[in-house]
Amino acid sequence: DAKTTQPNSMESNEEEPVHLPCNHSTISGTDYIHWYRQLPSQGPEYVIHGLTSNVNNRMASLAIAEDRKSSTLILHRATLRDAAVYYCILRGFSGNTGKLIFGQGTTLQVKP
Amino acid sequence: DGGITQSPKYLFRKEGQNVTLSCEQNLNHDAMYWYRQDPGQGLRLIYYSQIVNDFQKGDIAEGYSVSREKKESFPLTVTSAQKNPTAFYLCASRNGQERCGKEKLFFGSGTQLSVL
Repeated sequence: DAKTTQPNSMESNEEEPVHLPCNHSTISGTDYIHWYRQLPSQGPEYVIHGLTSNVNNRMASLAIAEDRKSSTLILHRATLRDAAVYYCILRGFSGNTGKLIFGQGTTLQVKP
Repeated sequence: DGGITQSPKYLFRKEGQNVTLSCEQNLNHDAMYWYRQDPGQGLRLIYYSQIVNDFQKGDIAEGYSVSREKKESFPLTVTSAQKNPTAFYLCASRNGQERCGKEKLFFGSGTQLSVL
């Protein structure tokens, strides 16, 4: 699976939007872009995924660049409960092991 | 409610002792995974199983063993051969029927293992 690059940490104010970037310049045409987040002392939880088009769900939005070499996870109104480590992961079509490769992610701090 | 249950939440191991971490899921998922997380680091794959009675080594399998006798259960044994076992251990499962690339992992709440 191709590699992703994320900033180590970001800060946001409560109730403001947050844009978490992810670079994946070696992405292949069949790689899906997945985002997970991990709250302190918890297991990661799925947030959103996409292939080419922007995606929205109740937790967040995913904006994918036209060339697919980068993407941005958007939290529309950050709350204190959104403070977590956010992982951007590429998942390829080939093989069916379901393995996900987690990097160090971005630690999001939300200030009241 | 469906989900993944890991137990215990905290576990202490003495030198030379084997310990077993429990992972049970009632999601009817085919595939299950064990990850290890060290402080401030991402997750590393230890073992995974795509079907009952079958499992494969991940990236850091040395010093660990697993079994998959039932679909619902995937216990991990940390053996005495694992010289640095202190870490946060996470179990996950996946619906094997999902199309490649779209599949989502569901995680348990983890077991913190420490060495006495």
